[in-house]
Amino acid sequence: AQTVTQSQPEMSVQEAETVTLSCTYDTSENNYYLFWYKQPPSRQMILVIRQEAYKQQNATENRFSVNFQKAAKSFSLKISDSQLGDTAMYFCAFRIETSGSRLTFGEGTQLTVNP
Amino acid sequence: DTAVSQTPKYLVTQMGNDKSIKCEQNLGHDTMYWYKQDSKKFLKIMFSYNNKELIINETVPNRFSPKSPDKAHLNLHINSLELGDSAVYFCASSQVAGVLETQYFGPGTRLLVL
Repeated sequence: AQTVTQSQPEMSVQEAETVTLSCTYDTSENNYYLFWYKQPPSRQMILVIRQEAYKQQNATENRFSVNFQKAAKSFSLKISDSQLGDTAMYFCAFRIETSGSRLTFGEGTQLTVNP
Repeated sequence: DTAVSQTPKYLVTQMGNDKSIKCEQNLGHDTMYWYKQDSKKFLKIMFSYNNKELIINETVPNRFSPKSPDKAHLNLHINSLELGDSAVYFCASSQVAGVLETQYFGPGTRLLVL
């Protein structure tokens, strides 16, 4: 069975600073994909960034980047220059190629950006 | 220009009632999903349809019945609602294309059963 663990239920950061959210996963598969989704108070689920396991290069999307350590099964999200609008619940998610598109989510990390 | 839309956004109803939640996507995707987010914010997949065919059916009570009239719509009907059904239900869609497949979520429907 695949599992995703986010060990930080809550985090806070000052505006303009950098914060890193942790995610670890467990699988015996070799081909899989990792995602970070953001859920602001509006409850919409918004894709932040994705990473293919076969790619060694870490994905980046503007202020968002990941640190993907395949051997350690770790997939952390770094948010640079944090903005008030980044306040949200962040979910790490995982999909294996043979799962029929099933996404497995972590428990979420509530991030608060303080002015 | 909403990509994945759900109606209604809020649904308050009595125990024992039957209700439906509708989902539509205008992205041209071939796969649609229903997820349930419980009070602890944990998200779990319920169903997945690909081109109107059921491909994922997690352990969900048979009071929940998804219906896909076409590949742009996936509705969720719930019979005999129970208190434990209170949750936020998310519809999502994706184009199954291996490495590029990414799921896009609707805004969610908050269901409260009294």
